Amino acid sequence: QKEVEQNSGPLSVPEGAIASLNCTYSDRGSQSFFWYRQYSGKSPELIMSIYSNGDKEDGRFTAQLNKASQYVSLLIRDSQPSDSATYLCAFPTHQAGTALIFGKGTTLSVSS
Amino acid sequence: DVKVTQSSRYLVKRTGEKVFLECVQDMDHENMFWYRQDPGLGLRLIYFSYDVKMKEKGDIPEGYSVSREKKERFSLILESTSTNQTSMYLCASVGGDARNTGELFFGEGSRLTVL
Repeated sequence: QKEVEQNSGPLSVPEGAIASLNCTYSDRGSQSFFWYRQYSGKSPELIMSIYSNGDKEDGRFTAQLNKASQYVSLLIRDSQPSDSATYLCAFPTHQAGTALIFGKGTTLSVSS
Repeated sequence: DVKVTQSSRYLVKRTGEKVFLECVQDMDHENMFWYRQDPGLGLRLIYFSYDVKMKEKGDIPEGYSVSREKKERFSLILESTSTNQTSMYLCASVGGDARNTGELFFGEGSRLTVL
């Protein structure tokens, strides 16, 4: 069974710091990876996708993928209190049709 | 905007009762999913469907069944509820292959409590 592991946290950082969130996965054949953000009491929403080794930047967010080591990370620069949420990594599974499986999520708290 | 609507936000049932959770999306998406979310366990896939009348088991299908008679509607059925099915149930949909887009659109969730 394909698995994805995340440190559940909580991860606490001061405002303006860099938050680093990590995820490891078991399936060497995985080609695409996604980061979702879930605010308390809300549903998850996609914030980043990454498909090739290296870094992908989008504003204050950088996703990093290392397929050889089977990990994907999310860096949040200049963290803001509004970034306080649970971050879930996800990747595709199932050969017949497609679905995403999710990590358990890392809870980030940014203090002002 | 894509809208995924779950008909019931909060339900309280007694053990053994039948529960029918309905999900409707308005974007003509082929793929629809049911997940449950529990503290410490994250989001776990129950069932998904990639076409009308087609369904695939996810990681935790035991105790659940699904129905997809129309493209926009995907229902989760709990024939005889048990207390361990107390959870938040999330429906999601995506147009095209999730491997390419990865953007699942989620409903607001249905919180089920089984007494």
